[in-house]
Amino acid sequence: EVQLVESGGGLIQPGGSLRLSCAASGFPVRSNYMSWVRQAPGKGLEWVSLLHSGLSAYYADSVQGRFTISRDNSKNTLYLQMNSLRVEDTAVYYCAREGYSYGLGGSGWYFDLWGRGTLVTVSS
Amino acid sequence: SYELTQPPSVSVSPGQTARVTCSGDALPKKYVYWYQQKSGQAPVLVIYEDSKRPSGIPERFSGARSGTMATLTISGAQVEDEADYYCYSPVTSGNERVFGGGTKLTVL
Repeated sequence: EVQLVESGGGLIQPGGSLRLSCAASGFPVRSNYMSWVRQAPGKGLEWVSLLHSGLSAYYADSVQGRFTISRDNSKNTLYLQMNSLRVEDTAVYYCAREGYSYGLGGSGWYFDLWGRGTLVTVSS
Repeated sequence: SYELTQPPSVSVSPGQTARVTCSGDALPKKYVYWYQQKSGQAPVLVIYEDSKRPSGIPERFSGARSGTMATLTISGAQVEDEADYYCYSPVTSGNERVFGGGTKLTVL
């Protein structure tokens, strides 16, 4: 079955660190663009980070310099290392696979598979 | 930075047609995608490439794009369609990913 399963969330104090994992099955993480998307309580979806299949990494301004995205091909798992956590980082964090659309209508990347998410709560 | 604008809420009675809009300056150049998120659940893709339905999505869901506006239409909305709906469109350059702010659809 093709799926993504996140883990690693929890309660952490401001300034602390946490590493989220996203275990993929049914497809190779190394061959796909993979993103982390978060959702603060009662808020909308916010893209956090992207890892290209070629290992180039990109981040939202809100997490640049504090979060690091990576993967372990042998475990077929995507990670998000979160350092210097802030109260405003409290959210459900989703892992998502990206697909690519070709066409005259405007090609580009989009999210075609999501995990169920893991909750990160930053609070003292 | 790039923005996609959605109305915060839409409300219809069961069986009526619900329309959720999404506007953005780059929409004339890029496909639009729609995600449904029910309470406490992960987002689910309901429309891709403006108007295509993934397998398993009911036919009452449709989409269209014209100029700087895209519309998700639910014909004969059901109570089970009550959810938040997010539009998404690739940015024209760079690696940022941008979602619309979301629209809460109420069916009652």
